[in-house]
Amino acid sequence: EADIYQTPRYLVIGTGKKITLECSQTMGHDKMYWYQQDPGMELHLIHYSYGVNSTEKGDLSSESTVSRIRTEHFPLTLESARPSHTSQYLCASSDGVGQVDTQYFGPGTRLTVL
Amino acid sequence: KNQVEQSPQSLIILEGKNCTLQCNYTVSPFSNLRWYKQDTGRGPVSLTIMTFSENTKSNGRYTATLDADTKQSSLHITASQLSDSASYICVVSDRGSTLGRLYFGRGTQLTVWP
Repeated sequence: EADIYQTPRYLVIGTGKKITLECSQTMGHDKMYWYQQDPGMELHLIHYSYGVNSTEKGDLSSESTVSRIRTEHFPLTLESARPSHTSQYLCASSDGVGQVDTQYFGPGTRLTVL
Repeated sequence: KNQVEQSPQSLIILEGKNCTLQCNYTVSPFSNLRWYKQDTGRGPVSLTIMTFSENTKSNGRYTATLDADTKQSSLHITASQLSDSASYICVVSDRGSTLGRLYFGRGTQLTVWP
């Protein structure tokens, strides 16, 4: 099992609240990712990072922001949560070496915004 | 448009039976194809990864095949177990960027009944 952790696992929160989803990995991976996944749908990349102080937006537009101050930590923040943000958020990391670059996923955070 | 299509959308089989899941893709250029297993409420876990030159890869009771000419892949599960109940996701990577962008299918939801 991969050493990548996400907290909280479940979060129910009211509209307008600021939230931060935590993601940490102990594998020393340079690349980290955030995906959004709705039930029965494919994963969509919303943010990624090549390393410390590097962050990029993914394919799916998201109102969230990320930071990468430490290699092992890649938190995602929503300044003002809305019901449209209700989804599962998956964090992943990879070592980015070679043609085959396996991503290791965390267990996910299930976010519900009321 | 780069896409990954999986079939069937859902499948129910009895314990001990075999099954085959299909993945068709239009991603180009092609780098590699992965099959992931995602248990309910968990992050995806890599089962197999195949590059252009590989046409079969096994991981225990899971055997993946790849036909890069027809852009098709299959995942065969032998002697199914109750623990095989999960969503199986086909993921294709291109060579179009340093990130090696991933294209996710929506998954096949497999249920194994006793």
